[in-house]
Amino acid sequence: DAKTTQPTSMDCAEGRAANLPCNHSTISGNEYVYWYRQIHSQGPQYIIHGLKNNETNEMASLIITEDRKSSTLILPHATLRDTAVYYCIVRVDSNYQLIWGAGTKLIIKP
Amino acid sequence: DTAVSQTPKYLVTQMGNDKSIKCEQNLGHDTMYWYKQDSKKFLKIMFSYNNKELIINETVPNRFSPKSPDKAHLNLHINSLELGDSAVYFCASSQAGVPFFGQGTRLTVV
Repeated sequence: DAKTTQPTSMDCAEGRAANLPCNHSTISGNEYVYWYRQIHSQGPQYIIHGLKNNETNEMASLIITEDRKSSTLILPHATLRDTAVYYCIVRVDSNYQLIWGAGTKLIIKP
Repeated sequence: DTAVSQTPKYLVTQMGNDKSIKCEQNLGHDTMYWYKQDSKKFLKIMFSYNNKELIINETVPNRFSPKSPDKAHLNLHINSLELGDSAVYFCASSQAGVPFFGQGTRLTVV
């Protein structure tokens, strides 16, 4: 079973920041949070991951709350090509496997 | 120079047939995976494999078997195909815990 919950869908205007929330209230201390996205039935694309600290790369920023029960993926300047399903995933500590949920369908509007 | 490549991209076959899906990665990764994405878009791990260990998801029927001729390849063999096997199958490889995915094989059993 997925260890994360996300909104089913979200809209964002092109050029604005897209903030995608994720709850992972049962996460344990050594379990990482990963974000992937899937564009129209292509293979999932890695975005970012983190444990406790906030992380930033060329694609996005990941903000993890201090209690680690939730996180937010931020796409700073969304474009139409960012329309995709975004998956927030916990990497299980026991076997390092990624447990996927249903994701958030993000639609970027012109 | 695709990092993780799968063939074929589409596969339509009749019930009861035996089929294989091939996967190759040129990233030099030690671990490879097979995932199944069902009609509800949930991604579930089927197998993870490296040089030393095959980990099987216990829910996977034994009609499915991974075969690795070498470190860069992990093929998926499916015997006695059933209608319920219709799905998109993704191969992935990882190093340091971040899986990179292929583009998927859409299997349709008729």
